[in-house]
Amino acid sequence: QQQVKQSPQSLIVQKGGISIINCAYENTAFDYFPWYQQFPGKGPALLIAIRPDVSEKKEGRFTISFNKSAKQFSLHIMDSQPGDSATYFCAASNLGGSARQLTFGSGTQLTVLP
Amino acid sequence: NAGVTQTPKFQVLKTGQSMTLQCAQDMNHEYMSWYRQDPGMGLRLIHYSVGAGITDQGEVPNGYNVSRSTTEDFPLRLLSAAPSQTSVYFCASRVAGGTDTQYFGPGTRLTVL
Repeated sequence: QQQVKQSPQSLIVQKGGISIINCAYENTAFDYFPWYQQFPGKGPALLIAIRPDVSEKKEGRFTISFNKSAKQFSLHIMDSQPGDSATYFCAASNLGGSARQLTFGSGTQLTVLP
Repeated sequence: NAGVTQTPKFQVLKTGQSMTLQCAQDMNHEYMSWYRQDPGMGLRLIHYSVGAGITDQGEVPNGYNVSRSTTEDFPLRLLSAAPSQTSVYFCASRVAGGTDTQYFGPGTRLTVL
């Protein structure tokens, strides 16, 4: 059972454009929503994360928008650059206790054309 | 700090062979975990540990064993490799609790023939 659904599977954007990746979750107990960025041949690395007590979080060109009632969250990459080309994973977890697990989406392969 | 290290980087096995994927971290993290990454499936949790001597199963534990004798090391054992275990394996670690960042190793690409 996939608890975090991610779309699109792949995305091609022109340099300077906006990249948008969407995720939806089912488990209402989730209360921590990170995004990970993975370059080819590397492990994923935390990009940005949000708690559900805010509707938006921005770090540089990266913004998470969160809609608790719809159980959806999205990553927006403004002024996309070729160096942003990577695979992006959304994730969700329940913060209760030391054994909290991250449930990952299926990933989005982003290509930014020069 | 070296962070999370994994060895080997690549491995080819024949069906039925066994092997151990090594994982080590030098950040004194209590929590360590193993994931497998398959195309279109994201990262799926195999096993995890919240401290030395404590391990538990994740989403896809069948065919894998783990142990945690020290804080630093968390090896993953494939008992009898099957083609379905062809995947990229990632080890990760973090401080237990809170919203602490989970750090991933560089991965091991395993092919089972």
